[in-house]
Amino acid sequence: DAGITQSPRHKVTETGTPVTLRCHQTENHRYMYWYRQDPGHGLRLIHYSYGVKDTDKGEVSDGYSVSRSKTEDFLLTLESATSSQTSVYFCAHTGDSNQPQHFGDGTRLSIL
Amino acid sequence: GNSVTQMEGPVTLSEEAFLTINCTYTATGYPSLFWYVQYPGEGLQLLLKATKADDKGSNKGFEATYRKETTSFHLEKGSVQVSDSAVYFCALSDPGGNTPLVFGKGTRLSVIA
Repeated sequence: DAGITQSPRHKVTETGTPVTLRCHQTENHRYMYWYRQDPGHGLRLIHYSYGVKDTDKGEVSDGYSVSRSKTEDFLLTLESATSSQTSVYFCAHTGDSNQPQHFGDGTRLSIL
Repeated sequence: GNSVTQMEGPVTLSEEAFLTINCTYTATGYPSLFWYVQYPGEGLQLLLKATKADDKGSNKGFEATYRKETTSFHLEKGSVQVSDSAVYFCALSDPGGNTPLVFGKGTRLSVIA
């Protein structure tokens, strides 16, 4: 158990709708991350957080926003979903940015 | 900037064959190095790590040695099993600041009986 849960695990929605994915960790870790995984691209970092209300962009942040109002929760929002955002989304956390990250089981998001 | 390069997959092996998955890196300073494994339908799990030059990480029969002179961290296993079929990711940490881990693109391994 990596002390992390993602919700929902699966979601199907339509283009143009807002979508929020939730990541919850129980380890009181400072750092949290959102990735997307697509065939041929490996893992790509969307946004990350290094503390409550402290966030920064990753390599594929366009079209995504995040919020972290509590240590344990990190939300990823697609303000207006597009078909190119169909992907598997992973959240991860760690107590030290130089140490291994612990991953959730992913959210499979399909945008039609 | 920092980067990780893994061998392209997929890799297909017969059961009990020897496995090598190559990983090389570019980094300033002295990063820590990691191998992660992702089984179908799951998230990534840490497989092993090494934090300084010449360290050997090992777990579940897998090994990797931190080679600073060749900037490499190749993953090896002497005898693979069908249950080792997964995607393997090499990653490194930037020793300064809040910078996230840098991941390679992953190598898919299929082991056939």
